[in-house]
Amino acid sequence: NAGVMQNPRHLVRRRGQEARLRCSPMKGHSHVYWYRQLPEEGLKFMVYLQKENIIDESGMPKERFSAEFPKEGPSILRIQQVVRGDSAAYFCASSPRGGGQPQHFGDGTRLSIL
Amino acid sequence: QKEVEQNSGPLSVPEGAIASLNCTYSDRVSQSFFWYRQYSGKSPELIMSIYSNGDKEDGRFTAQLNKASQYVSLLIRDSQPSDSATYLCAVPAMFGNEKLTFGTGTRLTIIP
Repeated sequence: NAGVMQNPRHLVRRRGQEARLRCSPMKGHSHVYWYRQLPEEGLKFMVYLQKENIIDESGMPKERFSAEFPKEGPSILRIQQVVRGDSAAYFCASSPRGGGQPQHFGDGTRLSIL
Repeated sequence: QKEVEQNSGPLSVPEGAIASLNCTYSDRVSQSFFWYRQYSGKSPELIMSIYSNGDKEDGRFTAQLNKASQYVSLLIRDSQPSDSATYLCAVPAMFGNEKLTFGTGTRLTIIP
C-alpha cells in the first residue's frame, strides 16, 4: 500500500540548470498539491493539480516554475534556470478528492543549488 | 489573506505530562482542520483531523475545535520523548480547493 512517492530524494543543481521533481500520488488519489519549505520557514502552498488540469497555481512564482499532472505518469514540478534561492525542500501531497479530505505527504525532494 | 497562527515555542514538557498546542485561524468558513507532526528533516505526517466542534480523541492525542472562537488545539497525554517534533496546524482554503495554509509550527521538546 504505497504512499506518496517522490523522487529524487536529493537533487543538486548548479545555478542556471533545470530541476525536475516527480511525484506519484497514493493509489486512488487524483488530487496533487506541491508545497515548498524554505530553511527554517513554514510550508507554503505552490500549486494544486488534478489529472491534466492545473486548479490553482497562485502560490507558484510566475517565472521559471511550472507544473503538470499528465493523464499517464507522475506529476512534475519543473524549475528552470535555478537560483540559490530555490534551495528548499519540496513536498508533494495527495488526497482522494476534495471536500476537506486530509492530504498525505511524500518524503520530499531536497533541492540544493550550488 | 487567510492566516493560521500558532505559538512558535519552543515548548518544553516533562515526560509523562500533557502537552498543549494551540492554533487560531482567521477564516470563519473553514470546515476542516488538521494537525501534522514533522520531525527534523522529515516530511509532515498527519496525526489528527477534526471537522466539528468539540473534542476528538485518538490514542494519546485529543484535538479540540471551537469554531465560534476560531480556535483549534492539540493535547498530547503521557508525553513521550518520541513526541519531540514540530507540530503544524493546517486549514484548507475552501470546498473545491483544499490547498492548505499552515501555521509556522510549534516546536515541542519532551524532557526525559
